[in-house]
Amino acid sequence: EVQLVESGGGLVQPGRSLRLSCAASGFTFDDYAMHWVRQAPGKGLEWVSGISWNSGSIGYADSVKGRFTISRDNAKNSLYLQMNSLRAEDTALYYCAKGGYSYGILGFDYWGQGTLVTVSS
Amino acid sequence: QSVLTQPPSASGTPGQRVTISCSGSSSNIGSNYVYWYQQLPGTAPKLLIYRNNQRPSGVPDRFSGSKSGTSASLAISGLRSEDEADYYCAAWDDSLSQGVFGGGTKLTVL
Repeated sequence: EVQLVESGGGLVQPGRSLRLSCAASGFTFDDYAMHWVRQAPGKGLEWVSGISWNSGSIGYADSVKGRFTISRDNAKNSLYLQMNSLRAEDTALYYCAKGGYSYGILGFDYWGQGTLVTVSS
Repeated sequence: QSVLTQPPSASGTPGQRVTISCSGSSSNIGSNYVYWYQQLPGTAPKLLIYRNNQRPSGVPDRFSGSKSGTSASLAISGLRSEDEADYYCAAWDDSLSQGVFGGGTKLTVL
């Protein structure tokens, strides 16, 4: 059974940092691209960042470019999102999502339950 | 303002057929596959349609997707109360080198 379990969310002050993790199981992790998608309270889905199976291709939404860093550890079946210089508008539920064999595929067949990040003073 | 444009709301009565549109451009829908997601209240999104018109295992054939040029549509036939949810289209954008979602359509079953 495929499972994606996010962790690391919480309340953080503007300008501070937070690191999200996603533990994957039930599939061959290093065969697939992985992505982060977020959803602000009461709002729609926003693609945040994606990473190819070997970390050779990485991309970010304009809204987080230069502040967020995605990474993965295939030996640990884990995906990460380092979030720096956090802003109030980064407040959202952050989902980890399993992508396809190719990086630029927006078909996410499995999602985690999400981890809530709240940026507030 | 989302890169992909969807109507904010749609509605229908049980048994009806409803369609939800998704409008983009040559750099996203026009040159890449379109995906559709269903999000029930309080839950994570679920992949409903992949590669424009393919259904994952377990998705009823009441749901169908299509694409023409820079637009795509999701059709739901035989509408049921449990279809009441938010629906999102998504595609890769070659110009932005980013994934993009539509703003979402809230479907109400009257």
